Amino acid sequence: GAVVSQHPSRVICKSGTSVKIECRSLDFQATTMFWYRQFPKQSLMLMATSNEGSKATYEQGVEKDKFLINHASLTLSTLTVTSAHPEDSSFYICSASGQPNYGYTFGSGTRLTVV
Amino acid sequence: AQSVTQLGSHVSVSEGALVLLRCNYSSSVPPYLFWYVQYPNQGLQLLLKYTSAATLVKGINGFEAEFKKSETSFHLTKPSAHMSDAAEYFCAVSEGNQGGKLIFGQGTELSVKP
Repeated sequence: GAVVSQHPSRVICKSGTSVKIECRSLDFQATTMFWYRQFPKQSLMLMATSNEGSKATYEQGVEKDKFLINHASLTLSTLTVTSAHPEDSSFYICSASGQPNYGYTFGSGTRLTVV
Repeated sequence: AQSVTQLGSHVSVSEGALVLLRCNYSSSVPPYLFWYVQYPNQGLQLLLKYTSAATLVKGINGFEAEFKKSETSFHLTKPSAHMSDAAEYFCAVSEGNQGGKLIFGQGTELSVKP
């Protein structure tokens, strides 16, 4: 079946630094990538949607200059949290949709802790 | 706009008992509906999906869900709970079409007592 590999699974960074999270679709073409943020005991909050080769579309209230999304190829999308602060600490999950069946495949998530 | 409501943020059942997790949706077009399971510190795993074919959908691990248009519901059931079913469950609707963004419910935490 379709697999999305998300790395790293856990990262701890210092306040003010940037962190990059990668999601790769291993056996299908991810024409669309969704990035979510999840707080403890809460549901997934969609941050942005990106289509391969296009600029990402951000949800209302999400700072596009802080959460940089790149989707330059059909198998790779990245989320960079710039100048991270403790309030950015969260669980980030990607989800890919694309050919051949346009289902949704989720990555395993990244636990970001900013100290 | 589509939306999803999951009734009950926490459900507790005994091992071997029926599992029923409720989901109601709002959609102006025929929806695509999904149930996902999430274990701690992991991503989401698809249990089953409804895409306008059979109204009774069978998924993995013995779960199934029935699409009821008249009730705008898509409740998830399993005849006999296992300890390994303890997890967070999310109902979701696809906005507009397949491949559009997913709108998630608030989630239901399922506990299974021995």
